Amino acid sequence: GQQLNQSPQSMFIQEGEDVSMNCTSSSIFNTWLWYKQDPGEGPVLLIALYKAGELTSNGRLTAQFGTTRKDSFLNISASIPSDVGIYFCAEHNAGNMLTFGGGTRLMVKP
Amino acid sequence: ETGVTQSPTHLIKTRGQQVTLRCSSQSGHNTVSWYQQALGQGPQFIFQYYREEENGRGNFPPRFSGLQFPNYSSELNVNALELDDSALYLCASSSPMSNYGYTFGSGTRLTVV
Repeated sequence: GQQLNQSPQSMFIQEGEDVSMNCTSSSIFNTWLWYKQDPGEGPVLLIALYKAGELTSNGRLTAQFGTTRKDSFLNISASIPSDVGIYFCAEHNAGNMLTFGGGTRLMVKP
Repeated sequence: ETGVTQSPTHLIKTRGQQVTLRCSSQSGHNTVSWYQQALGQGPQFIFQYYREEENGRGNFPPRFSGLQFPNYSSELNVNALELDDSALYLCASSSPMSNYGYTFGSGTRLTVV
């Protein structure tokens, strides 16, 4: 089946720094979704991307759907302590399921 | 508007036992999906229910089964528990109108000993 590879697996940054993480797929995607999961909670949708090349922002978050349709990145600008959590990329396919990557764990030092 | 609620929040079972996890969907959502999230990994799709019928299934054995009720709430049943079934089980609700608007519950943490 298709695989989603996220990198880096973890990041430890200083508050105020910008963050970049990406996700690559072994196959072509029709959508890219980015979720955040806080400790003890379920994932929450941050950004949804629907077509190749699309660039979408949500506050300090920006995500892009790669032109090859096999990759996507998520940037966070001016990180703050509440950005701590695990960020997942995911794809929604015709089988009515979400396929998630392994996640990027973000830690922010005040 | 109430979100997705799951019960119980934590559960400890013995290998070989059976377990039932429950999920109440968000108001207005008629589709429920279940995911298994092992420690340090992303969630994996188990199955989805729509109109009280299974509407898609991931790579999980038949001992994982489910139900959806007329009020759109759902149960996940796991028989013959194995140690590797220890995980966070997440329920997500959605509707055809929500377009990827899956709302996840906080999950049930199952530990099999």
